[in-house]
Order: sequence, then structure tokens, then C-alpha cells
Amino acid sequence: KAGVTQTPRYLIKTRGQQVTLSCSPISGHRSVSWYQQTPGQGLQFLFEYFSETQRNKGNFPGRFSGRQFSNSRSEMNVSTLELGDSALYLCASRNREYTDTQYFGPGTRLTVL
Amino acid sequence: AQKVTQAQTEISVVEKEDVTLDCVYETRDTTYYLFWYKQPPSGELVFLIRRNSFDEQNEISGRYSWNFQKSTSSFNFTITASQVVDSAVYFCALSENNAGNMLTFGGGTRLMVKP
Repeated sequence: KAGVTQTPRYLIKTRGQQVTLSCSPISGHRSVSWYQQTPGQGLQFLFEYFSETQRNKGNFPGRFSGRQFSNSRSEMNVSTLELGDSALYLCASRNREYTDTQYFGPGTRLTVL
Repeated sequence: AQKVTQAQTEISVVEKEDVTLDCVYETRDTTYYLFWYKQPPSGELVFLIRRNSFDEQNEISGRYSWNFQKSTSSFNFTITASQVVDSAVYFCALSENNAGNMLTFGGGTRLMVKP
């Protein structure tokens, strides 16, 4: 099976812009989670979607949002970008809603100038 | 609230040495899962192992072994006869049944294996 894929792999934006990142889960997986990784804060949970519904949300401002489509693909959006949003954004998928291991994609590295 | 602590931020060893990465966790949940992930320079988190809170049996997989002790809330990871390819950042993580099973990560341990 193909792994989790994320596009784009690298992105450069300027402050105030918005950005959309995409994640395609492992075939058959219905849950997608997003994590932010920065040198200062480490790996932090953003949100999780299952069957197109947001099931859990981390402690991030409303500028961070996401959605999941009927084919389980997910997008996350960050509006009004700030310098501190520069990070590696990792997507993970798993088969069932609450159990099972999360498998991660290669990440999207976002740089905000 | 759940918390994972990896006290060793960086470890440097010479190839063929054994190395243990420490992980201590905090949780009030009785049902939880512990994980180890490896992050090579490419950035992708590679799953290594998952244990549930009811299974304290230690596990060995090739050169890798894991020691889970509920009494000390620890889930340590040992690499035997380390190799240069083991160089990476290793993360310990916890998910709780009552918290929607989101992953809470430790700060990571950077392992450098020198030839």
C-alpha cells in the first residue's frame, strides 16, 4: 500500500497570506490527524478528522482550520500567516477512529517570510 | 493532563555501542497507548512500536528492544550494537483513550552514531 502523501512538500509564503496544505491518507484509512512541528514547541496536535467530521482539536487559534472529503483526503488551511507559523506540518492517518497506530506522511515545510 | 518527558536531548555514541533512550510519561487515564517514532533527516515520522497500558511485556525486534514499566511510568528504548543508520531523532508519544487518542509527544532525543 502507498503511504501517506502530502503536497506540497515545501512552501514559502509571506505574512498575511493564507495557505492550504493537502494530505492523502493510506488507502482504506478514514482518520486523518494534523500536527505542527517547530523547534521551540516540538510536535503539537492540531486536529483530527474522521468520516468528514472534526473529532478533536488542539490548542491553536481559529486561523488554523481543516476539512476532510468523502474520499478521506484532508486539507488544512492557515489564514493570515504569521512568522511563527513557519513549521513542518505533518499529517497522519489511521484505520479506525480511536484505536490503531497513526502513520505519518513526509510533511510540508512551510516558511513564512 | 498527559505529558511525556524525554530528558536526554542529545546522545552521541560510537558504532556498535548499545544505547538506551529514556521516556517517562504522566497520565490519569487507565487505558492508554505508548509509541516510539523515528524521525530521520527527511522529516517523516517512522512508526517503531505501540504498546497498550495493559500489556507490560517487554518486546524485542532485531536490535531494538523496549522496556515498559508502569510502576515507574517509563517506556525506555534500547538499541543494541548501534549503527550509523540509527542516527535520527527519536520521539516517545502517549495517547489516552479519554482524550480522543491524539498523540502527545516528548521533546525527542537526537541520537548520533559515529563510525
